[in-house]
Amino acid sequence: DAGVTQSPTHLIKTRGQQVTLRCSPKSGHDTVSWYQQALGQGPQFIFQYYEEEERQRGNFPDRFSGHQFPNYSSELNVNALLLGDSALYLCASSLAAYYEQYFGPGTRLTVT
Amino acid sequence: QKEVEQDPGPLSVPEGAIVSLNCTYSNSAFQYFMWYRQYSRKGPELLMYTYSSGNKEDGRFTAQVDKSSKYISLFIRDSQPSDSATYLCAMSANAGGTSYGKLTFGQGTILTVHP
Repeated sequence: DAGVTQSPTHLIKTRGQQVTLRCSPKSGHDTVSWYQQALGQGPQFIFQYYEEEERQRGNFPDRFSGHQFPNYSSELNVNALLLGDSALYLCASSLAAYYEQYFGPGTRLTVT
Repeated sequence: QKEVEQDPGPLSVPEGAIVSLNCTYSNSAFQYFMWYRQYSRKGPELLMYTYSSGNKEDGRFTAQVDKSSKYISLFIRDSQPSDSATYLCAMSANAGGTSYGKLTFGQGTILTVHP
């Protein structure tokens, strides 16, 4: 049973560019949440998708957007990248009715 | 003030020691409490999950929740070098609250267990 998978593993972008990160949830899960983890900090909630809609959003600007597909996989898009967007981006999946979230390995984004 | 406070450590203990990790929180709506373990450059791994107040034990790990004090703990017995990692507490509120589905994390405590 495959767990949560994310791609790519690492990414280097230049300020002002746009990036798309991808996530496939754990088998049987229908809810995907995205988190940003800066070095030495706990993950910060970006948003959550359920039934292809954004159900809840954290305190992140509109430059951060997402999408969920009918097969429950998800994308995170970040426009107009800033140096401060450099972080580990984590995807977590869960069943809508339960609170246990299972994380993928993350995508490490470096903005230069 | 952060909603969840966690001492970042670092914490260094000898193999076999009992480790105590703690978090405090301010949001009384939190009802679901989790502990994650994160190895360097990896995603967090769910260790323990508890609802409301009380204790839960799983092998060498025991999670405690005291909602009256807004305080949660994770105890690791007979600690091993393989337990060396960052431990993150996380919390979520009930359905219907503004925090539904959202995990709020502590900063993480770095633990090193030396042989």
